[in-house]
Amino acid sequence: GIQVEQSPPDLILQEGANSTLRCNFSDSVNNLQWFHQNPWGQLINLFYIPSGTKQNGRLSATTVATERYSLLYISSSQTTDSGVYFCAVVEYGNKLVFGAGTILRVKS
Amino acid sequence: EPEVTQTPSHQVTQMGQEVILRCVPISNHLYFYWYRQILGQKVEFLVSFYNNEISEKSEIFDDQFSVERPDGSNFTLKIRSTKLEDSAMYFCASSDRGGRGYEQYFGPGTRLTVT
Repeated sequence: GIQVEQSPPDLILQEGANSTLRCNFSDSVNNLQWFHQNPWGQLINLFYIPSGTKQNGRLSATTVATERYSLLYISSSQTTDSGVYFCAVVEYGNKLVFGAGTILRVKS
Repeated sequence: EPEVTQTPSHQVTQMGQEVILRCVPISNHLYFYWYRQILGQKVEFLVSFYNNEISEKSEIFDDQFSVERPDGSNFTLKIRSTKLEDSAMYFCASSDRGGRGYEQYFGPGTRLTVT
């Protein structure tokens, strides 16, 4: 099945810093989503981005489908950005396959 | 903005008991999903549901599990005879279409604790 790898596994930032999270996938995809899991365990939809670039406030994402990777940029990080960031892709049918996530800690 | 809702937010049950987790998908969506996340692990697909039947299920989704759309708004996951290893966060999701090219919208999750 499709493999989804995220890096780095852990990241510690000082408040105000910028960061880039990466998601590599092993096969072509038509659906790629980024999620933020907050400290209460809730999954928040960030981006649906099978290709191209999108921006939402301090967050933006770019997917280069031909090279099988996606990047999530967080600018001017805040403590509320802490949590786990997941990338997920659809392999076939409707099943989303999740990566292992990047744990982000933003320190004030 | 429309959202997927789930109840309860936290459920504690004893081993061997039956539990029903409830979800209200986004109203015009036709495809419904359940995922689960054991503490500290990846989110895993359980089942997808369309037109009142299961369209896809994972190896995890054995006879212990069942799904149902009892009315026009709710989508439920039933776990019969819960085991300790069923303790996890369960997420419901919905999409307006199926297949590889459509966004799935996730609910906030139900944390199930089996004691």
